[in-house]
Amino acid sequence: GDSVTQMEGPVTLSEEAFLTINCTYTATGYPSLFWYVQYPGEGLQLLLKATKADDKGSNKGFEATYRKETTSFHLEKGSVQVSDSAVYFCALKNTGGFKTIFGAGTRLFVKA
Amino acid sequence: NAGVTQTPKFQVLKTGQSMTLQCAQDMNHNSMYWYRQDPGMGLRLIYYSASEGTTDKGEVPNGYNVSRLNKREFSLRLESAAPSQTSVYFCATSDGGGTNEKLFFGSGTQLSVL
Repeated sequence: GDSVTQMEGPVTLSEEAFLTINCTYTATGYPSLFWYVQYPGEGLQLLLKATKADDKGSNKGFEATYRKETTSFHLEKGSVQVSDSAVYFCALKNTGGFKTIFGAGTRLFVKA
Repeated sequence: NAGVTQTPKFQVLKTGQSMTLQCAQDMNHNSMYWYRQDPGMGLRLIYYSASEGTTDKGEVPNGYNVSRLNKREFSLRLESAAPSQTSVYFCATSDGGGTNEKLFFGSGTQLSVL
């Protein structure tokens, strides 16, 4: 079945460092891919998405490119801030079903 | 704009007790979901409701029941709580089906079963 694999955390960075969180997926067909973010004490919220191969999703300085040839959707940000400290979830939604499939989540700590 | 509201925020139960987690949305969405979040396992779907009057099992439905009371409300019931049900529970709604579906989450219920 469909699945999402994320790099294990936690990831600890200093402010203004470059961020990469790796995400790969297994799916038949042409799923849409998402990154959700969960700030402390809150529910998840959509950060960005891409709906087809080579699409780039972007929001709040974060970017991710849908790479079908490597089945990847890595999240990047050029300069992280303390306020980016959160848990990041990679997810996919495929055709023909109601379920969004989530990865295990990667916790990011950003130090001032 | 409240969005998705879950109650309670925290709950401690003893093994064998029952309880109902409430979820209400004011977004006029048809689809509603219950997920549980456990460390290292991400979010797993318990039950979902594609529209008022319908419910279906997700990945981990055992030990739970749901009711879609009306378009706004979707409750999750634990009939006889077990320690394995200690988790954080999230209700979510969506703005439509298909692959572009965006989920909107409540702030969660942290449940401990002793």
